[in-house]
Amino acid sequence: AQKITQTQPGMFVQEKEAVTLDCTYDTSDPSYGLFWYKQPSSGEMIFLIYQGSYDQQNATEGRYSLNFQKARKSANLVISASQLGDSAMYFCAMRENTGGFKTIFGAGTRLFVKA
Amino acid sequence: KAGVTQTPRYLIKTRGQQVTLSCSPISGHRSVSWYQQTPGQGLQFLFEYFSETQRNKGNFPGRFSGRQFSNSRSEMNVSTLELGDSALYLCASSLVPEGAKGTEAFFGQGTRLTVV
Repeated sequence: AQKITQTQPGMFVQEKEAVTLDCTYDTSDPSYGLFWYKQPSSGEMIFLIYQGSYDQQNATEGRYSLNFQKARKSANLVISASQLGDSAMYFCAMRENTGGFKTIFGAGTRLFVKA
Repeated sequence: KAGVTQTPRYLIKTRGQQVTLSCSPISGHRSVSWYQQTPGQGLQFLFEYFSETQRNKGNFPGRFSGRQFSNSRSEMNVSTLELGDSALYLCASSLVPEGAKGTEAFFGQGTRLTVV
């Protein structure tokens, strides 16, 4: 069965520093996608970055990069040069590529950026 | 390009009533998924529709149902509301079929349902 684990309920980071949010997953499907979303207090889920299971290189999107270690089944999000606006909940998600768009989410990590 | 639109944004209902939530996906998106978000359970998958067909369903009782119309708009219905149904209900739409890169889901702002 699919499973996503985010072990950090909350994280603090100093403004302008980098931070890593952990995510491990479990699936028996060889083809899957991994996603990170940001949810500010307004409630809307904002897509950040995507990594496909067959992608050879780690995904990067601006200040966001995904540290994909397939053998360890981990997909950690790295945010470089943190900004005050990065304070939010961050969710790791996975979708197996068979059987439709069912996507499961981790419990989330609340990130606090300190000035 | 308009985003995913969910209506209403806020709703208060009493126990036993039923409720219908609406989701209009991004133009051209044919896949719509629904999620329930609560502080205790986090984000839980409800169901997913693609071209008017339900392709996946989460572990929710039969009181939760949905449908998708030919224009890809989707509705979610909850009958016989319980206090525990109070949650943020999020709808997400996606463009391309499964297996393709970048098939991220775009979320609406959600409908916050309060059952009293």
